[in-house]
Amino acid sequence: EVQLVESGGGLVQPGGSLRLSCAASGFTFSNYWMFWVRQAPGKGLVWVSRIKGDGTITRYADSVKGRLTISRDNARNTLYLQMSSVRSDDAAVYFCARAAVSGPYPSPPDYWGQGTLVTVSS
Amino acid sequence: QSVLTQPPSASGTPGQRVTISCSGSSSNIGSNIVNWYQQLPGTAPKLLIYSNNQRPSGVPDRFSGSKSGTSASLAISGLQSEDEADYYCAGWDGGQNGDLVFGGGTKLTVL
Repeated sequence: EVQLVESGGGLVQPGGSLRLSCAASGFTFSNYWMFWVRQAPGKGLVWVSRIKGDGTITRYADSVKGRLTISRDNARNTLYLQMSSVRSDDAAVYFCARAAVSGPYPSPPDYWGQGTLVTVSS
Repeated sequence: QSVLTQPPSASGTPGQRVTISCSGSSSNIGSNIVNWYQQLPGTAPKLLIYSNNQRPSGVPDRFSGSKSGTSASLAISGLQSEDEADYYCAGWDGGQNGDLVFGGGTKLTVL
C-alpha cells in the first residue's frame, strides 16, 4: 500500500526557516517523480515544486524560487522541502504527492499524503 | 487567480447528474492531459480521473471525464450525499517540462 506521511510543519516567524519531510513507503521511491503542493486556509491547491526520481531535475513555482528547496534521500525513502526566508503567504497545508507513472518523465500525482500545516507568525 | 478556470460552486439533488467545467488554453488543456481530484472536507486530495477520462480502480463509474479543445468536464451521475466535496482539475502548462497547474476548485453541494 502506498503511504506518504508528512511531518515538520509548525509555527515559523517571517524570515525564518523550516524543513518539511515526507516519508514514503509501499513503492520503489527512487523510480518516481515527487511533488510538493500547498493549500492556504480556505483556498485551492497550488503546485510548489517537483523532483525527479534520481534527484537530478527539480522545478519550482515562480512564487517560491530561491526560497524553497526540494530534495530527496532515496536511501531513506524521504522527500524534503527546505523553507527559507519564509513569508506570510507561505502559510498553508503542504502535501507531498507521487507522480502517477514511474519513469523519466513527470506525470500528475496520484497518491497524496495527509499534509502538514505551516503557520507563519511573529 | 488560477491558470485553469472552474466555477466556484455547483449543486444538485440526490440522483441528479451534475457537470463541472474546467477551462484552459492551448498551452495547458489544449495540449496536455487533464486529471480531476476530489477533496473531502479536512482530507487530502484523491485522484478521481486521470488522462482526461480514465478512472483509477475503486472510483465508481458514476464519475466520468471528458476533454474537448481547451476545456474539460467532470460529470457525476446518480449524485450521492457523500459526493459533497471540492473538485479540482489539473494538468501541465507548457508540457511535461512546464508547471503543474490546478483549477481554483469547485465546491459541490448535495441539496
